[in-house]
Amino acid sequence: GQNIDQPTEMTATEGAIVQINCTYQTSGFNGLFWYQQHAGEAPTFLSYNVLDGLEEKGRFSSFLSRSKGYSYLLLKELQMKDSASYLCASHNDYKLSFGAGTTVTVRA
Amino acid sequence: DVKVTQSSRYLVKRTGEKVFLECVQDMDHENMFWYRQDPGLGLRLIYFSYDVKMKEKGDIPEGYSVSREKKERFSLILESASTNQTSMYLCASSDNSGANEQFFGPGTRLTVL
Repeated sequence: GQNIDQPTEMTATEGAIVQINCTYQTSGFNGLFWYQQHAGEAPTFLSYNVLDGLEEKGRFSSFLSRSKGYSYLLLKELQMKDSASYLCASHNDYKLSFGAGTTVTVRA
Repeated sequence: DVKVTQSSRYLVKRTGEKVFLECVQDMDHENMFWYRQDPGLGLRLIYFSYDVKMKEKGDIPEGYSVSREKKERFSLILESASTNQTSMYLCASSDNSGANEQFFGPGTRLTVL
């Protein structure tokens, strides 16, 4: 089976940095996705890591360590619009296995 | 622009009714998926399909069936709806290139009374 763990909630101030950790124990692992989901909306793609290391995309960066079964999503220069749920998902063959999601609240 | 559409945003049904949730994608994707999303549980895979007329059980298939007669359309069927099937249902599609990134529809909020 698949086991994906991430924190339930995080709160941060506008302009700050937040790091969302994700640990996974899965079989047939291909890579790690991060999705963003605003309340009442569909998840949208943020990043996909296959190789170990950090990938930066504007204010968002994602890191993967395959040997440790660990990933994190780093959100920099937080804006109010970043308040959302962030979903970690392991990619196994055709399928994704999702964590329960981390709700990030950005305060002014 | 990539698009996955679902037939209804909100649906209210009675216990025992047969319910059809429709999903259509216009990206010519081979793979299609049905999830349900519940607070604290995240997205859980119900069924998926990697080709027309093909289907595979996901993690929680009990109480559900699916149909894929055309490549662009994937239907989720609740043969006899129950109150524990009240949930948000999300459809997604992906192709077979590289990352298999999944594109999601807007979701259907189903309430079973």
